[in-house]
Amino acid sequence: DTGVSQNPRHKITKRGQNVTFRCDPISEHNRLYWYRQTLGQGPEFLTYFQNEAQLEKSRLLSDRFSAERPKGSFSTLEIQRTEQGDSAMYLCASSGTNNSPLHFGNGTRLTVT
Amino acid sequence: GENVEQHPSTLSVQEGDSAVIKCTYSDSASNYFPWYKQELGKRPQLIIDIRSNVGEKKDQRIAVTLNKTAKHFSLHITETQPEDSAVYFCAASTGTASKLTFGTGTRLQVTL
Repeated sequence: DTGVSQNPRHKITKRGQNVTFRCDPISEHNRLYWYRQTLGQGPEFLTYFQNEAQLEKSRLLSDRFSAERPKGSFSTLEIQRTEQGDSAMYLCASSGTNNSPLHFGNGTRLTVT
Repeated sequence: GENVEQHPSTLSVQEGDSAVIKCTYSDSASNYFPWYKQELGKRPQLIIDIRSNVGEKKDQRIAVTLNKTAKHFSLHITETQPEDSAVYFCAASTGTASKLTFGTGTRLQVTL
């Protein structure tokens, strides 16, 4: 499968713990996006990278959230001191340099108890 | 920033009938409008997209129309089948590879 890969698929954590998710984009894609989706809503933009540079962050991304893409390939999204309101599906997407559309991964479902 | 509204939130049609989902956007600079289909527990999948230099695009049973003056665009599915049942999201952006602003989704149910 050469699509966008996300790990883990599910994560259950206790409030206050830190969690980290990983996204592996389609190999030739240089743009990578993180979105958050809650039940019954559309995906909400969090941040995006062009290669290793983080070009934009949503105001939804509080100080507890940090994303990295150190070598311009895979990306990680870390949430520190998780809160119950962080429970959601975290989706990663990638797109290429030729103005191609966004392709999404299957997401990581986070449950904070 | 961009705001995308989508209607209806749920839509039930009989197999073989047509389904229409409508979206409006607020940012006149938006020029790229994709539609995604999301089945339960799965990733959003692109089904069709349109750019602002075209008014209509068709792909087999799926078509999208765009009215830039009114800032609205619509998804049309003809001859619906049970496998069309899913949640459909419209989105808008100022460029294909730019961030997307999504609508709130339409749950389509195709009944036999």
